[in-house]
Amino acid sequence: AQSVSQHNHHVILSEAASLELGCNYSYGGTVNLFWYVQYPGQHLQLLLKYFSGDPLVKGIKGFEAEFIKSKFSFNLRKPSVQWSDTAEYFCAVLPGYSSASKIIFGSGTRLSIRP
Amino acid sequence: DSGVTQTPKHLITATGQRVTLRCSPRSGDLSVYWYQQSLDQGLQFLIQYYNGEERAKGNILERFSAQQFPDLHSELNLSSLELGDSALYFCASSRLADGTEAFFGQGTRLTVV
Repeated sequence: AQSVSQHNHHVILSEAASLELGCNYSYGGTVNLFWYVQYPGQHLQLLLKYFSGDPLVKGIKGFEAEFIKSKFSFNLRKPSVQWSDTAEYFCAVLPGYSSASKIIFGSGTRLSIRP
Repeated sequence: DSGVTQTPKHLITATGQRVTLRCSPRSGDLSVYWYQQSLDQGLQFLIQYYNGEERAKGNILERFSAQQFPDLHSELNLSSLELGDSALYFCASSRLADGTEAFFGQGTRLTVV
């Protein structure tokens, strides 16, 4: 069965530290990839997405992600985190050419930033 | 603000009861998706409607049902509630049925006591 793995359940960093959140998926075909963020008490918001083209995708708020097809990975990065980045981050995979109803979410990574 | 409105924000009810969650999609969006977010199951797709018709079904229990009305708002009905149904229920909408970009509402937090 298709699945999305987010390796870290909870990450704690200090402000200005660099961030990398891992995401691996199991699906052999074409995929669309997403990172969503959920700030405390708020809804899911799209951070960035990859459909095709340049595997290095830039999103909002200084986030970026790199699609490495050979590793089935789509890790999220930010060079210098801020306290306001405290949130839960979800990686999601949509197998190619299918409805968004087929989006598979990872279990999420809770990011806590120490001021 | 995503443009997707969900009501109520919070709901506390007893086991065995029935509740209705409401979702108004973004203006112009025809597709509505319902997701359940719980601590043990993570974020799970429940059901999708497109322009009033059921489009896809996910891990939705038989005790749950949904519909999309002519004005495109949607309701998720949860009946015979159990403690394990306590979760955050999200609605998302997208313009097309293949909604590669879905916008999420703020969710309804359901607590079953």
